[in-house]
Amino acid sequence: LAKTTQPISMDSYEGQEVNITCSHNNIATNDYITWYQQFPSQGPRFIIQGYKTKVTNEVASLFIPADRKSSTLSLPRVSLSDTAVYYCLVVGSASKIIFGSGTRLSIRP
Amino acid sequence: EAGVTQFPSHSVIEKGQTVTLRCDPISGHDNLYWYRRVMGKEIKFLLHFVKESKQDESGMPNNRFLAERTGGTYSTLKVQPAELEDSGVYFCASSHQDRRNYGYTFGSGTRLTVV
Repeated sequence: LAKTTQPISMDSYEGQEVNITCSHNNIATNDYITWYQQFPSQGPRFIIQGYKTKVTNEVASLFIPADRKSSTLSLPRVSLSDTAVYYCLVVGSASKIIFGSGTRLSIRP
Repeated sequence: EAGVTQFPSHSVIEKGQTVTLRCDPISGHDNLYWYRRVMGKEIKFLLHFVKESKQDESGMPNNRFLAERTGGTYSTLKVQPAELEDSGVYFCASSHQDRRNYGYTFGSGTRLTVV
């Protein structure tokens, strides 16, 4: 299982675009990248996943360079409600997913 | 569709007592996982069911923890006897067989406090 590294915390302001980068140097050929969001007193919630290049949904975009050793979660025009912990996960053929420490994102007015 | 449901949401028990946590996965999800977060630590994998079979229980901390999934539907996680270090939030997640395309859905967790 590939280990992921992401910043412990980030701060931003309402209306800004936030980019959270995650490194996963040991990602395997068949692994894909997924991001989860967690609010206090709730379980992690799926945001987006991808294998390569760019993926976009109604919530976020995920950018994955050609070497796939990193990925960037982009949250457009954040609001106070986006304050949460964001986890970058590499999912492979193994049955379980491994959580790192995540990035604690704080949005200010 | 209904999400993953966990019961109870909170439980406070004394050291040495027994507690049983329940998880109802999304209907049709063969994969069911238990995770736990001890205060200040990362979310840790406990075990994985595929239907009623234990696929991977490498994360179970010791033999005081017993997980079951009779009939391949809901699952229970029993802690007997509970110790202080068992306090934390226990999450359950389920996934479709094709988890690459459908991801994992987590419940809101059970907060267990052992006093």
